[in-house]
Amino acid sequence: AQKVTQAQTEISVVEKEDVTLDCVYETRDTTYYLFWYKQPPSGELVFLIRRNSFDEQNEISGRYSWNFQKSTSSFNFTITASQVVDSAVYFCALSENSGYALNFGKGTSLLVTP
Amino acid sequence: DAGVIQSPRHEVTEMGQEVTLRCKPISGHNSLFWYRQTMMRGLELLIYFNNNVPIDDSGMPEDRFSAKMPNASFSTLKIQPSEPRDSAVYFCASSSPGQGIYEQYFGPGTRLTVT
Repeated sequence: AQKVTQAQTEISVVEKEDVTLDCVYETRDTTYYLFWYKQPPSGELVFLIRRNSFDEQNEISGRYSWNFQKSTSSFNFTITASQVVDSAVYFCALSENSGYALNFGKGTSLLVTP
Repeated sequence: DAGVIQSPRHEVTEMGQEVTLRCKPISGHNSLFWYRQTMMRGLELLIYFNNNVPIDDSGMPEDRFSAKMPNASFSTLKIQPSEPRDSAVYFCASSSPGQGIYEQYFGPGTRLTVT
């Protein structure tokens, strides 16, 4: 069963628009970790953020912000004032127990055009 | 600081040949993971080592795949014999949950093409 669902396969926005990438997860564990990774066209996987299940505080880092809601099992990612360099595939991932293997979603491909 | 190092970056081989992929994790990290990325299946875990010991190899597709971690700074993933369906990008990642580093840092990947 898919543990991480990224329903948006592809999103296309114009530069400076805000965009939100959705992530819904499924787990029975009380302790778990959620992650977002970015995969630019060059192919590497870049770590963006980690969230622990017991910390529901939202986080902002520059133009990036994350909304973690346990009530809806969601961990959404918003890019404010998008830029062309934000074009990439973004993966949400879940790690259960003590930082074990990552269960990745299928990814959302974001295209930002000038 | 050096990140996770993988070699080769690209590998093209013929069906039936042996392929060996190499990984050097981040110094001090004690967990190492091999993932495979394909269009059809996305990113999937192949095997996970903790302190050089294989913990979970349930993701290894079949007996043609094997992985070793002879020491804390080196791991290999071997495919013998290779088949066209093994064509994918293979990523190595490392982390250190014991030190509170739960996020995994990925290498640049090895793009394998089996013809």
